[in-house]
Amino acid sequence: AQKITQTQPGMFVQEKEAVTLDCTYDTSDPSYGLFWYKQPSSGEMIFLIYQGSYDQQNATEGRYSLNFQKARKSANLVISASQLGDSAMYFCAMSTPNTGNQFYFGTGTSLTVIP
Amino acid sequence: DAGVIQSPRHEVTEMGQEVTLRCKPISGHNSLFWYRQTMMRGLELLIYFNNNVPIDDSGMPEDRFSAKMPNASFSTLKIQPSEPRDSAVYFCASSQNRVYGYTFGSGTRLTVV
Repeated sequence: AQKITQTQPGMFVQEKEAVTLDCTYDTSDPSYGLFWYKQPSSGEMIFLIYQGSYDQQNATEGRYSLNFQKARKSANLVISASQLGDSAMYFCAMSTPNTGNQFYFGTGTSLTVIP
Repeated sequence: DAGVIQSPRHEVTEMGQEVTLRCKPISGHNSLFWYRQTMMRGLELLIYFNNNVPIDDSGMPEDRFSAKMPNASFSTLKIQPSEPRDSAVYFCASSQNRVYGYTFGSGTRLTVV
């Protein structure tokens, strides 16, 4: 069975500081994809970053990077230089070809950026 | 591209009424997904389609829920009859390639009173 775990219900970070949001996953499939989504208070789901299980390097997208540790089955999101607009819910998700590429989402982490 | 378009944005209905949620995926995307989000259960996959064909509907809560995708540019999720516990935000998402993830619609906030 596929499973995504986010253990931090809420996080606070000072503006301009970096923050790490934790995500661990469990799958027996050798091929999988890991994703992070942002959900601001307005409710939309915004795709942030993708990491493939065979990717050798950690994914980066602007201020977002994914700290992928395959042996530990972790895919933590690092946000550098936090901005007030980063305050939102963040969801980690996984998909595998063997399950039709449907996404399994974690329970989310609420991030608050403090001025 | 206008993105994934869902309608209505908000729906308030009385218990027992039929509710139809609509979704227009991004042109060229061959997979479409319906999710439900609640505080208690988070994001739950209800059903997904590949090339307009339902692939997995095991997440549909019960027979009151049904989904169709008559063509590549339109899908509906119907609840009949609706119940207060169906109150949630319903998201539609489409995908062309999992490498790029899903593109979500803005969601429909359903309230059943």
